[in-house]
Amino acid sequence: GDSVTQMEGPVTLSEEAFLTINCTYTATGYPSLFWYVQYPGEGLQLLLKATKADDKGSNKGFEATYRKETTSFHLEKGSVQVSDSAVYFCALFRWSLNTGNQFYFGTGTSLTVIP
Amino acid sequence: KAGVTQTPRYLIKTRGQQVTLSCSPISGHRSVSWYQQTPGQGLQFLFEYFSETQRNKGNFPGRFSGRQFSNSRSEMNVSTLELGDSALYLCASSLALGGGPSDTQYFGPGTRLTVL
Repeated sequence: GDSVTQMEGPVTLSEEAFLTINCTYTATGYPSLFWYVQYPGEGLQLLLKATKADDKGSNKGFEATYRKETTSFHLEKGSVQVSDSAVYFCALFRWSLNTGNQFYFGTGTSLTVIP
Repeated sequence: KAGVTQTPRYLIKTRGQQVTLSCSPISGHRSVSWYQQTPGQGLQFLFEYFSETQRNKGNFPGRFSGRQFSNSRSEMNVSTLELGDSALYLCASSLALGGGPSDTQYFGPGTRLTVL
């Protein structure tokens, strides 16, 4: 079945450092891939998404590329800020009219950025 | 456009009681999903509703149930509460079943349930 494996945290970086959070998936076909971010005490916010192979999703300086050959969707940012401190979730969505939508989330990676 | 709203935001109950949580999806969204988030288990899918019908269900006991109304608003109910039910319950909405690549799931702020 479908699944998502996400890099374990926590991750601590200094401000302006480069960020990579690894995410790999197991799935047949072409599901949609997402990154969500959760700030303390809040729900999940959509960060970016990609819906087909080689698509690059980007938002607020974050990027992730849908790599079918390596079944990966790694999250990257060139220069992190203190305000990026949050928990990041990789997710796989399979939209299906017949079987119902199916959603799979990684375990989340906590990021702390220190000044 | 208003986002997904959940009420109440915080709830304290005792073991054995039951609780009902409410979710209003984004206007025009017809699919509503519920998740349980705990520090130990992470984010776990509870169920999805579309057109007032449960379409998918996660691996939770029958104490967890839900329903959806004709206006797409949804409620979830947990009966005979246990200490382990303490969690953040998140609701998410998307346009449709089989929404396809243009669809996205948007989350509400969650209801923090504490069982004493």
